[in-house]
Amino acid sequence: AQRVTQPEKLLSVFKGAPVELKCNYSYSGSPELFWYVQYSRQRLQLLLRHISRESIKGFTADLNKGETSFHLKKPFAQEEDSAMYYCALNTGNQFYFGTGTSLTVIP
Amino acid sequence: ETGVTQSPTHLIKTRGQQVTLRCSSQSGHNTVSWYQQALGQGPQFIFQYYREEENGRGNFPPRFSGLQFPNYSSELNVNALELDDSALYLCASSLGGRRQGVYEQYFGPGTRLTVT
Repeated sequence: AQRVTQPEKLLSVFKGAPVELKCNYSYSGSPELFWYVQYSRQRLQLLLRHISRESIKGFTADLNKGETSFHLKKPFAQEEDSAMYYCALNTGNQFYFGTGTSLTVIP
Repeated sequence: ETGVTQSPTHLIKTRGQQVTLRCSSQSGHNTVSWYQQALGQGPQFIFQYYREEENGRGNFPPRFSGLQFPNYSSELNVNALELDDSALYLCASSLGGRRQGVYEQYFGPGTRLTVT
């Protein structure tokens, strides 16, 4: 069963526009959720995790247990935000990644 | 402080052969996780090692096996290679306890395996 769903494979927004990358998860226990980012020709790196409730590079993500969602948001997209974004779920003994969303910010 | 390194960078093998991929953890990290990433897909968790013991496993057959050494470096071994094993294999290290994922994982650049 797909544990993490990212419905958009590709997303394009204009610079300065708000951006939201969607992530839904399936897990009956208490989830630990993360967003990872991969910039062009760079390694996969952690962007943020729900447990720390922090904002990184202007991005935030709120865990909504009722909707089982962990959408990533930024109010004003920048060109340097263009990258591949993965939502990930830790269930305690396994780690699940979504299929990723490729974000392009158009100048 | 050195980052996570993986070797080799690329590898071509024939169906039925065996392969060993290597990963050196970031300095001070005691936990290593391995992932398989097929083209156009997200990373799929293979297994994790914490202080030389397997500490969680994904939905991969037993022909995928691993080792972690006292210096916390790690190997991924795949026996009886199949065409579908062609993928990017990622290693990630972290300073963790028994409960994986709580700590930040640092990823290596990956090994691209092609099975013909």
